[in-house]
Amino acid sequence: GQQVQQSPASLVLQEGENAELQCNFSTSLNSMQWFYQRPGGSLVSLFYNPSGTKQSGRLTSTTVIKERRSSLHISSSQTTDSGTYLCAMGYQGGRALIFGTGTTVSVSP
Amino acid sequence: GGIITQTPKFLIGQEGQKLTLKCQQNFNHDTMYWYRQDSGKGLRLIYYSITENDLQKGDLSEGYDASREKKSSFSLTVTSAQKNEMAVFLCASSTWGGANEQYFGPGTRLTVL
Repeated sequence: GQQVQQSPASLVLQEGENAELQCNFSTSLNSMQWFYQRPGGSLVSLFYNPSGTKQSGRLTSTTVIKERRSSLHISSSQTTDSGTYLCAMGYQGGRALIFGTGTTVSVSP
Repeated sequence: GGIITQTPKFLIGQEGQKLTLKCQQNFNHDTMYWYRQDSGKGLRLIYYSITENDLQKGDLSEGYDASREKKSSFSLTVTSAQKNEMAVFLCASSTWGGANEQYFGPGTRLTVL
């Protein structure tokens, strides 16, 4: 079946460092979302990015359909960026999203 | 804009009990979803519905029933709660078609004693 591989599983950063989170997909995708979640918190949509590059503040999402991958770049990390980042894909013929297992980011001051 | 509400926020049940979770959306979206989130396993699809009275099974449908009696609401029933079960159930909605952005509710946290 369709799979989403997310890496790294966890990441420890010093405040101010940059980070790159990756998602690789086993099949062609026709939609792609990045989410953020605090422990015990709800899922917050960061980007709906089926292709190309989108930026919001210090976050940048890039999806390359041909290469079946998407990345999330965090620049100048802050302690408030700590939490879990999840990617999810929608695929041709499907309706629901297939999720990766997430990257847990911890930013220390 | 719109919002998705889920009730209850916390649900504590006994082994074997039948438990119902509710979801409402005011986006006027056609498609609604129920996902289960377990620690370290991401989210997995339980059921989805493309319109009122429609139900489609996901990968994790065994042990669950769902109901979509109105366009704006989607209910999920745990038919027999399993002891030591602990998970978060997330409801989502989107416009018609799998390629559209999905919006999520705040979740219901289930604990079975």
